[in-house]
Amino acid sequence: DAKTTQPPSMDCAEGRAANLPCNHSTISGNEYVYWYRQIHSQGPQYIIHGLKNNETNEMASLIITEDRKSSTLILPHATLRDTAVYYCIVRWKAGGYQKVTFGTGTKLQVIP
Amino acid sequence: EPEVTQTPSHQVTQMGQEVILRCVPISNHLYFYWYRQILGQKVEFLVSFYNNEISEKSEIFDDQFSVERPDGSNFTLKIRSTKLEDSAMYFCASSEGRNYEQYFGPGTRLTVT
Repeated sequence: DAKTTQPPSMDCAEGRAANLPCNHSTISGNEYVYWYRQIHSQGPQYIIHGLKNNETNEMASLIITEDRKSSTLILPHATLRDTAVYYCIVRWKAGGYQKVTFGTGTKLQVIP
Repeated sequence: EPEVTQTPSHQVTQMGQEVILRCVPISNHLYFYWYRQILGQKVEFLVSFYNNEISEKSEIFDDQFSVERPDGSNFTLKIRSTKLEDSAMYFCASSEGRNYEQYFGPGTRLTVT
């Protein structure tokens, strides 16, 4: 019952930009979109988040469409260490319970 | 750089026993969270904690789970009577505010036999 859909896997050449898409068509007006990544079985690592406007930090850029139904995470110059599972996450409530589902994510493989 | 720490890294327990998983969040953070990840599956939200009480929880967080901040630094997850299906990696996280980024700990691998 994830509220986000992502492609299961992507490859990217080292040094190139990695563009990871996410659909979140049922996002509500005041909920943020978050991106995390998980390398092996380590704790998820925060990348970036946004509400409406595009965001950029030292790790990545986040492009959110005007209707907020989808977003794209951009890693501008992918390195081998960026190989990980990338999760796009939104929060919502259903049946009185908070739901935060990481989903199955996109497994990004950076190729030398 | 400040980080979230968790102990133990691996806990083995017998079915029916109580376990307490410990976390030390980042010191100036106000929100605390527990997640779990069953091997090979998705990361699942369990509970968030703010101002000494549960602020949000998922349907997974039933009566066998409880959380506590026993002092100014620790944040604990107690599983009252463990079941085989509780075997998972348990991650603690903390954040400065509700919509702020969450910093995750390295996890505690719980194995119930």
